[in-house]
Parts: sequence; structure tokens; C-alpha cells
Amino acid sequence: AQKVTQAQTEISVVEKEDVTLDCVYETRDTTYYLFWYKQPPSGELVFLIRRNSFDEQNEISGRYSWNFQKSTSSFNFTITASQVVDSAVYFCALNTGGFKTIFGAGTRLFVKA
Amino acid sequence: EADIYQTPRYLVIGTGKKITLECSQTMGHDKMYWYQQDPGMELHLIHYSYGVNSTEKGDLSSESTVSRIRTEHFPLTLESARPSHTSQYLCASSDSLALRDRGRENTGELFFGEGSRLTVL
Repeated sequence: AQKVTQAQTEISVVEKEDVTLDCVYETRDTTYYLFWYKQPPSGELVFLIRRNSFDEQNEISGRYSWNFQKSTSSFNFTITASQVVDSAVYFCALNTGGFKTIFGAGTRLFVKA
Repeated sequence: EADIYQTPRYLVIGTGKKITLECSQTMGHDKMYWYQQDPGMELHLIHYSYGVNSTEKGDLSSESTVSRIRTEHFPLTLESARPSHTSQYLCASSDSLALRDRGRENTGELFFGEGSRLTVL
């Protein structure tokens, strides 16, 4: 079975705080891709990052960083020094080679000024 | 920059009406998808297409139908709208990635349209 779990339904932080969004996935495939998407209030989902199962290197892009650990089947996303514009729903997703991308339930992030 | 467009953005319609949600992409992607997003945020795949003249149903049963006559166009139709169809509908497309082992074709990241929010009264 394939599954993506985002245990945090909502997170509320104050601007400039760091925040980590958790993502745990399940798959029996050895080859797969993991993704993070952002859905701002305007509604469209925006792709943030793709990571394949062969590459466990962590990645940093500006204030965003991703920690991929196969040992714990986790692909967590950290926003450093959060800003109000980071307020959105964030989705973690898994694709194992078919046409189906499996999404987690999403984490709604509120960043208060 | 993704180029995928959905119309209408918002639609309020009465029960029993036929509606078509339009989706077009200019990236030449062979794969296209329709997702339904409920108020609880979860995304459910309702239709997908491998390419022209290919359509498949997704995980969530839907009374809607789709067609793929042209690569760039993937409209979704509801023959008789009901209040239970009230939802946000998101169209997406993707290219393919070759995985490192077995060279198996995979799906790359999804490019989403802005969504069509349908309300059926």
C-alpha cells in the first residue's frame, strides 16, 4: 500500500519563527519520487521540490529546506524565519512510477505578523 | 513558468444543469489530470489521461466525464449538476521522467491550473 501522512492539520506561528512540516510516506517500491507543493489562498498548487529515492541529500533553497530520511520514511520541510506570505496549505506527495501521485491531507500554515 | 489554464474560475449553477469545466495547457504535456478538492483540503484524483483519445477514471468515483481530443485540451463535463458536486476542481498536467533503474517512465511534477470552484444550488 502507498500512503502519505501529514499528521499536522494546522500550524500557527509568529513571523520569523522557524517551522517544520512533517511528512511520512509508505511504499514497497524501491524507486519513487517525493514532492512538496504549496497552495496559497488563491487556490493553485505550486510545485516546490522533487526528490527521488536514490538521493538522500538534504536540500536548501533560500529559507526553505528539506530533510529526506529513508530510514524513517520521512521527507520533512522546514521554513526558516517564516513570513506572512508563507501562509498556505502545504502538500507532501509520492509517486512510484505510475500515473498516480498520492497526496497527503495537507498542512495549513498560518504565519501571524 | 507553468502554462495551464482553467475556466471558469467560479461557477454558481442550479441543479440539473449541464456544465463543462475547461482546462488547457501549452506545455505539450502528454499526461493530464482532474482532481477534486473537498473543504477538508484533501485532493482526490477523479480522471486522468495518458494522451490523445486516452482517458481513465481515478480513485474517487465521479459522475463527471472527460475527453481528450487534443493534447492541450482536457475538459470535464457534468451532464446534470447536483449540490453534491459542489467542490473545487483542479486540472493538472505533467511530463515524464525516466527513472534511473529499469528506465521506467515516471511522472514528473504536476503543474496545476488555478482551479474551478463549482457551487450547485
